[in-house]
Amino acid sequence: AQKVTQAQTEISVVEKEDVTLDCVYETRDTTYYLFWYKQPPSGELVFLIRRNSFDEQNEISGRYSWNFQKSTSSFNFTITASQVVDSAVYFCALSEVEFSGGYNKLIFGAGTRLAVHP
Amino acid sequence: GAVVSQHPSRVICKSGTSVKIECRSLDFQATTMFWYRQFPKKSLMLMATSNEGSKATYEQGVEKDKFLINHASLTLSTLTVTSAHPEDSSFYICSATSTSGSSGANVLTFGAGSRLTVL
Repeated sequence: AQKVTQAQTEISVVEKEDVTLDCVYETRDTTYYLFWYKQPPSGELVFLIRRNSFDEQNEISGRYSWNFQKSTSSFNFTITASQVVDSAVYFCALSEVEFSGGYNKLIFGAGTRLAVHP
Repeated sequence: GAVVSQHPSRVICKSGTSVKIECRSLDFQATTMFWYRQFPKKSLMLMATSNEGSKATYEQGVEKDKFLINHASLTLSTLTVTSAHPEDSSFYICSATSTSGSSGANVLTFGAGSRLTVL
């Protein structure tokens, strides 16, 4: 069965600190996708990144970076020089690949609430 | 980019009434839509998957007769909470994808969510 674990329930940092949000996943599939979403207080989910299981290259996008380690089944997310606007709940998610149906369910982790203080 | 509109964003209703939430894909045809439920400070739990023109597939533990899902067109899916009770109060989020065939995962586009409060 697929499972996503975000062990950090809440993280509190001061502005300009770097912060890493952990994500560990379980799946028996050899082909899968991993996602990170941001959920600000408004509730809307904001897509941040998708990574497929065959692409272990790390990615950097501005202050955001992601470290995909297939050997440890982890897909960690780092925010460099955090800002108050980064305060939100961040969800890591795993996607099954349904070849028959051609669609993909997302299994979400419990989320990590990040509070960035001025 | 792909946009999913969800309406209403907030709804308050009396216990025993039914509430309908709409999820529309505005600029693409959504062959599949997903409905999630989120309790306060909790994660998103998949309720059901709906494919256009066919019956929805419900996750274990989700009452089909309670949460009616209809996906009558490629741009619209609706979730109706029937005979709502206070325990149905929650944040409901839909997502849509245009994935077809076995080419892999497309990015799921999420609606902004609908906050239901049942008094």
